[in-house]
Amino acid sequence: DTAVSQTPKYLVTQMGNDKSIKCEQNLGHDTMYWYKQDSKKFLKIMFSYNNKELIINETVPNRFSPKSPDKAHLNLHINSLELGDSAVYFCASSQPSGRPLQETQYFGPGTRLLVL
Amino acid sequence: AQSVAQPEDQVNVAEGNPLTVKCTYSVSGNPYLFWYVQYPNRGLQFLLKYITGDNLVKGSYGFEAEFNKSQTSFHLKKPSALVSDSALYFCAVRDWYGNNRLAFGKGNQVVVIP
Repeated sequence: DTAVSQTPKYLVTQMGNDKSIKCEQNLGHDTMYWYKQDSKKFLKIMFSYNNKELIINETVPNRFSPKSPDKAHLNLHINSLELGDSAVYFCASSQPSGRPLQETQYFGPGTRLLVL
Repeated sequence: AQSVAQPEDQVNVAEGNPLTVKCTYSVSGNPYLFWYVQYPNRGLQFLLKYITGDNLVKGSYGFEAEFNKSQTSFHLKKPSALVSDSALYFCAVRDWYGNNRLAFGKGNQVVVIP
């Protein structure tokens, strides 16, 4: 009955590979997000989807491509992985309301990506 | 663009003593402020938020935060710290001009000493 789940929890891979991280939420939320947390624990938003539509696309390399097959899922595909992509990636979701700025975001447990 | 500052890297406090984690914000419009906690190797957990109304907001696990508009601060407090409160605490802010982006501070490591 996990609210926001991510798979895999850990991902170790070689430079140049392509990998995907999956996120699912069972909260009935319309909006989902991807965040990157670097080695210094800085958290920065990468993407946001509302009802399968991209609404936030921060300045990230186009090797990163989010895909939302339905509003309960937001996957992150990364092409040609680089050493600098090593980080913890968090998925989050928020409850639909008429006041998006007030919405609380609920986070998944994170995917720890290590690129060798 | 909206931003928050968490000036301390680490906060050390003895168990049973009051705990304060500082946060100041910068926004163009009305701020919507949040506190999250991250335990080791876990995701972020929501603690509390300020939207409007009472400046003192109560949240989960005995935490509260006080919104101070004149000082642009939103400090997190707990009257009596527990060892289990040792974690990384993030302050975050949104405003109308940020396109719904939630801007996080750099985080504060809290260490509660038994």
